[in-house]
Amino acid sequence: DIQMTQSPSSLSASVGDRVTITCRASQSISRYLNWFQQKPGKAPKLLIYGASSLQSGVPSRFSGSGSGTDFTLTISTLQPEDFATYYCQQGHSNPVTFGQGTKVEIK
Amino acid sequence: EVQLVESGGGLVKPGGSLRLSCAASGFTFSSYTINWVRQAPGKGLEWVSSITSGSEYTYYAGSVEGRFTISRDNAKNSLYLQMNSLRVEDTAVYYCARDGMLDFWGQGTLVTVSS
Repeated sequence: DIQMTQSPSSLSASVGDRVTITCRASQSISRYLNWFQQKPGKAPKLLIYGASSLQSGVPSRFSGSGSGTDFTLTISTLQPEDFATYYCQQGHSNPVTFGQGTKVEIK
Repeated sequence: EVQLVESGGGLVKPGGSLRLSCAASGFTFSSYTINWVRQAPGKGLEWVSSITSGSEYTYYAGSVEGRFTISRDNAKNSLYLQMNSLRVEDTAVYYCARDGMLDFWGQGTLVTVSS
């Protein structure tokens, strides 16, 4: 199974900050990498697919980059509604696997 | 509007069975792979199973293989998960999610396995 490792596991940031979350795969997954946002009590929401493509309706302050084993999710200017947990997920091969999550909290 | 609505969750004893359903609307259900993903209380996301558009292929996580069975009825726009030999560690919110990209999710249904 492909292991996905996110860092950090949590971070504290202020509104307006630039936030970067990284995700590393245990083997190359090309660009089969998706990012999700989840708020408490809600289903996850797809933000980025194919490592860098923005899902329809997602604000442009979210961006993704990377290929192979190393990937990054960046929030350019953190907004109050962005405080949530973020997960990466590989769709390269079964079983599909997720990172452990990164909780973005208010500083 | 794409909608996925799960149902069938509840409280069951260890060793028991439960059948989850996912009703789809707002898209051509028969054209998409559909997945089950679960989340234990306070934990991260775990993919459980998927089924291709015409039921040609099914896939399972190792933790549920041999105990869970995924199926679908394209005429009814519905997805199912038959869960047998349930364990305490199967306690989770179960979501259905569309496609390999997991681009749309239902609201989830809670399964609690406890004596």
